[in-house]
Amino acid sequence: NAGVTQTPKFRILKIGQSMTLQCTQDMNHNYMYWYRQDPGMGLKLIYYSVGAGITDKGEVPNGYNVSRSTTEDFPLRLELAAPSQTSVYFCASSYDRGLIHEQFFGPGTRLTVL
Amino acid sequence: GDSVTQMEGPVTLSEEAFLTINCTYTATGYPSLFWYVQYPGEGLQLLLKATKADDKGSNKGFEATYRKETTSFHLEKGSVQVSDSAVYFCALIGGSYIPTFGRGTSLIVHP
Repeated sequence: NAGVTQTPKFRILKIGQSMTLQCTQDMNHNYMYWYRQDPGMGLKLIYYSVGAGITDKGEVPNGYNVSRSTTEDFPLRLELAAPSQTSVYFCASSYDRGLIHEQFFGPGTRLTVL
Repeated sequence: GDSVTQMEGPVTLSEEAFLTINCTYTATGYPSLFWYVQYPGEGLQLLLKATKADDKGSNKGFEATYRKETTSFHLEKGSVQVSDSAVYFCALIGGSYIPTFGRGTSLIVHP
């Protein structure tokens, strides 16, 4: 199993550009999440999904969109990039096994908006 | 809502020193508790977990005990190594299935 994979690893965008951060998991997990990590600020939840076709907003959804057409894929879309979106983005997945719900994280995408 | 509070870092220790990183939480019901570790340039990975009161999670020499009476889940290791240098996150998942993370504590271990 590859686990959770993310592409690209690094990206520089100009203000106003758009891009999609890709996330794929091969563990047949039903839950998937997108976080951003700013220095010294921990993780903030952007969007999450409890299964294919179902998505919901997290703590900081503004400026982002997601879709979940398959169990495996959960792309994150930035429509009009802003400097405030400079961050490291992590995708994670988990499965429903009672209340254990440990999360498996991807390696992250480091995004800079100039 | 749920919340997790961790001691601020960085925590700087010499090799073979004893480590404690404090974590307290606020949650309704009986959440599951986790410690995750993040090595430089990588994503988070699960270090240990506990799902009910008085459970002790352990892995790689690290331990943490789920203390419901003090709403705490402190991380300890008896003898740290340089390779333990990383950022450690305390987290919980309650009934909503949305995880709550602490802000992370950076650990620096010197030879």
